Amino acid sequence: EDKVVQSPLSLVVHEGDTVTLNCSYEVTNFRSLLWYKQEKKAPTFLFMLTSSGIEKKSGRLSSILDKKELFSILNITATQTGDSAVYLCAVPSLLDNYGQNFVFGPGTRLSVLP
Amino acid sequence: DADVTQTPRNRITKTGKRIMLECSQTKGHDRMYWYRQDPGLGLRLIYYSFDVKDINKGEISDGYSVSRQAQAKFSLSLESAIPNQTALYFCATSDTRDSRSYNEQFFGPGTRLTVL
Repeated sequence: EDKVVQSPLSLVVHEGDTVTLNCSYEVTNFRSLLWYKQEKKAPTFLFMLTSSGIEKKSGRLSSILDKKELFSILNITATQTGDSAVYLCAVPSLLDNYGQNFVFGPGTRLSVLP
Repeated sequence: DADVTQTPRNRITKTGKRIMLECSQTKGHDRMYWYRQDPGLGLRLIYYSFDVKDINKGEISDGYSVSRQAQAKFSLSLESAIPNQTALYFCATSDTRDSRSYNEQFFGPGTRLTVL
């Protein structure tokens, strides 16, 4: 059974801190791993990772994938209160020869205090 | 205008009632999905559809049914709602014909359903 695990489930930091969120996965026919940010609404796409060791970066957020050890990390530097959200990790899982599901982890709830 | 819309946004109902949640998209995507989200459990797939007349059960389909009335519309029904169906429900789309967005899903704003 395909599975995605995230840690920690909850994290409280102060503005300016750097955080690292973890995502590990077990999935057959791995193709990619996605990170989403969810505030009080629908998840919004952050990154898609397909290759090991290649960092994806967007402002203060960056992410990297390790396909050998089956995990990814999401780093946020110089955190701001606007970074407070649930961060979801997801992995597409083949449903059949051409279809796919997205298996989501439980999410990491990040709270950034002023 | 939002690309993926859901109605209603909030609904409170009683045990045993039939409820329908609607999803519409203007993205022209072929695939549509229904998820429910519960605290600590992430998003779990209820049903998905690859195109009109193609319906497939997901991880937790019991107690739910769906209808893909058109490429742009995918509705979720709770035939007889029960309290443990209280959750946040998301519709999502993806486009398998576009290699750039094949692995990306686009989510609607969610419907918060409470079953008393």
